[in-house]
Amino acid sequence: AQKITQTQPGMFVQEKEAVTLDCTYDTSDQSYGLFWYKQPSSGEMIFLIYQGSYDEQNATEGRYSLNFQKARKSANLVISASQLGDSAMYFCAMREGSGDSWGKLQFGAGTQVVVTP
Amino acid sequence: EAGVAQSPRYKIIEKRQSVAFWCNPISGHATLYWYQQILGQGPKLLIQFQNNGVVDDSQLPKDRFSAERLKGVDSTLKIQPAKLEDSAVYLCASSLGSGTTAYEQYFGPGTRLTVT
Repeated sequence: AQKITQTQPGMFVQEKEAVTLDCTYDTSDQSYGLFWYKQPSSGEMIFLIYQGSYDEQNATEGRYSLNFQKARKSANLVISASQLGDSAMYFCAMREGSGDSWGKLQFGAGTQVVVTP
Repeated sequence: EAGVAQSPRYKIIEKRQSVAFWCNPISGHATLYWYQQILGQGPKLLIQFQNNGVVDDSQLPKDRFSAERLKGVDSTLKIQPAKLEDSAVYLCASSLGSGTTAYEQYFGPGTRLTVT
């Protein structure tokens, strides 16, 4: 069964606007971590933001924020004030477990974001 | 600080040939991962090493894929013999550890393999 679902294959967003990338996940574990990565056309995966399942506050990192809705099993990424350099593929990922018993990082299929001037 | 290094960046081989990829993780990172990313999909973990021991290789096609991490530093991933469906980007990543305080994985630029 698919653990991470990203329903938006691609999105266009205008420079300086905010964009929300959807991510839903499936787990029966109480302890897990949610991640967002950016993959530019050059290929490397760049870590953006992390949210633990027990974190009560939504994670923020600069222009990135994670809208965590635990009951809905949703972990949407919000990019504020989009820049041309934000054009890339964005992946949502999850690891189940805790402490020294983390499972593998499982990725969604990704959302391609194109920022236009 | 130097990032994760991988070579080669690109490789084209014919089916049934063999190929090897090399990865040098960030200095001091105990955990090393190999991922396969097929076009249009997210990366899939093939194997995870903790120092030079294998933690998870449940998704590694062991009849044709092998990996080693000698001395707990560099790692090589080998495919022998290659199939058309092995065409993908192979990503190497490393992290300080695998626990909650070391969750961040740093990825290399990847090796793009084309099997013809």
